Amino acid sequence: GAGVSQSPSNKVTEKGKDVELRCDPISGHTALYWYRQSLGQGLEFLIYFQGNSAPDKSGLPSDRFSAERTGGSVSTLTIQRTQQEDSAVYLCASSLLKGGRPRSYEQYFGPGTRLTVT
Amino acid sequence: KQEVTQIPAALSVPEGENLVLNCSFTDSAIYNLQWFRQDPGKGLTSLLLIQSSQREQTSGRLNASLDKSSGRSTLYIAASQPGDSATYLCAVLTGSARQLTFGSGTQLTVLP
Repeated sequence: GAGVSQSPSNKVTEKGKDVELRCDPISGHTALYWYRQSLGQGLEFLIYFQGNSAPDKSGLPSDRFSAERTGGSVSTLTIQRTQQEDSAVYLCASSLLKGGRPRSYEQYFGPGTRLTVT
Repeated sequence: KQEVTQIPAALSVPEGENLVLNCSFTDSAIYNLQWFRQDPGKGLTSLLLIQSSQREQTSGRLNASLDKSSGRSTLYIAASQPGDSATYLCAVLTGSARQLTFGSGTQLTVLP
């Protein structure tokens, strides 16, 4: 079946502009994650959605970052007033996350969006 | 706070060699441990997942072990091939959000 898809694959933006990154998770997966991979910080967790519960935003680096998930499926990560330090690869992952099924915690990653802020 | 360390940071071996990549983590309260492969400019490909109750998993030429009490995992690659060249990332699943905490990776080069 189809995997996790992300768009755009590459985004170049000017400092101060807002950007939106999109993630389509695997159909039926209830959990969705955003991670960021940058040269200086490695791969770090940003935000987590599970079903209709309030998202866990504990990894978001500043209030310029926000994310939403519509209808329990597609998610959009928005970065406002982008800064050069926001340049990174943004990865989305999804998982089934159903209790009693150990392998349901396995996360499947999309190809990422490479964001460059000039 | 969970921290994951991978050693070595980079490794270069001739084709055909067996090799071991190491991963350690500071908090043993994990749900599982995953090994990923990342090719340049690409996303992550899951190689092996070991549940916290398991000791090892095998897939083809790959074998991963987990010693949760000591906070260690190893990825063994048998009979390495140039196509194995990539960055290998170790990650542990922890926390109420079930988020992955990643190591910084081992960059493997297999020379033909």
